[in-house]
Amino acid sequence: SQKIEQNSEALNIQEGKTATLTCNYTNYSPAYLQWYRQDPGRGPVFLLLIRENEKEKRKERLKVTFDTTLKQSLFHITASQPADSATYLCALMNTGFQKLVFGTGTRLLVSP
Amino acid sequence: KAGVTQTPRYLIKTRGQQVTLSCSPISGHRSVSWYQQTPGQGLQFLFEYFSETQRNKGNFPGRFSGRQFSNSRSEMNVSTLELGDSALYLCASSPGLNEQFFGPGTRLTVL
Repeated sequence: SQKIEQNSEALNIQEGKTATLTCNYTNYSPAYLQWYRQDPGRGPVFLLLIRENEKEKRKERLKVTFDTTLKQSLFHITASQPADSATYLCALMNTGFQKLVFGTGTRLLVSP
Repeated sequence: KAGVTQTPRYLIKTRGQQVTLSCSPISGHRSVSWYQQTPGQGLQFLFEYFSETQRNKGNFPGRFSGRQFSNSRSEMNVSTLELGDSALYLCASSPGLNEQFFGPGTRLTVL
């Protein structure tokens, strides 16, 4: 069956450290993968998109990697800040562009 | 540019009733998607509309339906509400097939 898995346990890190979140998928052939941030009571906010032929994408303190052999994407936030505390969702669009499928998200808590 | 707006923000209904939720996309965006978010299932795709046509559909029963108007505004309807329909319903608009711009959602509680 098709699955997108993110660590359901919250990730707790200290301010200034690098946070790394994982997104694994099975039985998908993604055309691209996206990462979103969601704060409580609000809709997700788009952060980054990486295509299946790209290995890495950066935007300010954010970095995403995409390994189609391992079927995994890693999302890094460097020099993390308490304001980065939120739930981060990965989503992939399968080839054929049928629909965007989301993982259940990982909650990140950055302590001062 | 104004963001995606959804109305109402909160709604309480009883089992068996029906509900209509509204979404106004970002100006110029022709694609509108609807998602259901629950703690157990996460964000699940309901359907997507483009230029008034349903382009894609998720795995939800026929009680869930939607439509899009010529001005790209969209509505979704849930008939014969069940307790399990309690969720945050999110609308997202997109200029193309890439990033989605989400609204704040409508929190539906079914009693």
